[in-house]
Amino acid sequence: GQNIDQPTEMTATEGAIVQINCTYQTSGFNGLFWYQQHAGEAPTFLSYNVLDGLEEKGRFSSFLSRSKGYSYLLLKELQMKDSASYLCAVRDRDYQLIWGAGTKLIIKP
Amino acid sequence: ETGVTQTPRHLVMGMTNKKSLKCEQHLGHNAMYWYKQSAKKPLELMFVYSLEERVENNSVPSRFSPECPNSSHLFLHLHTLQPEDSALYLCASSQETGTGSYEQYFGPGTRLTVT
Repeated sequence: GQNIDQPTEMTATEGAIVQINCTYQTSGFNGLFWYQQHAGEAPTFLSYNVLDGLEEKGRFSSFLSRSKGYSYLLLKELQMKDSASYLCAVRDRDYQLIWGAGTKLIIKP
Repeated sequence: ETGVTQTPRHLVMGMTNKKSLKCEQHLGHNAMYWYKQSAKKPLELMFVYSLEERVENNSVPSRFSPECPNSSHLFLHLHTLQPEDSALYLCASSQETGTGSYEQYFGPGTRLTVT
């Protein structure tokens, strides 16, 4: 079966750096997405990786290793507004999106 | 403002009621999706419409019935639901190309409670 694993919850301190990991086992691979979802709101697109390596976008970076079935989302200079759930999703060989259950990130002052 | 709107935002219904959820996208996309989101579970894809044709069903119970009258509007008709159907229902849209689709844009969701 197809599976996406990410930690259920993480806690970090304002101003610090946090890394949210995602491992996947899917039938083929056609890209990996990260989304942010604040409580009671819609998921919003953060990043897309299809080739190995690091994609940087401001305070957020996303890394992919296809050989290891592994990605991480790196958040720098954490702000209170970064408290949210972070969803990892992989597009399989049929271009279907397989979603992880999300990681709830709690930022403390 | 995400460009995808959903109404109502909250809905409480009894198991014998019939109701409909509405989604509208203002992004000019050609694909729309219905998802179910339950606490601490992955998003569950329910239906996909591409160019107004349904292309994915994912074995959703018949008490959920989708309708896509045009590329901007999507409905989810509900009848004789069960308490376990209580969840957040999310609508999304994307632009599909010949080699796959770009990122999906989500609406704010309808929080459904079945009593």
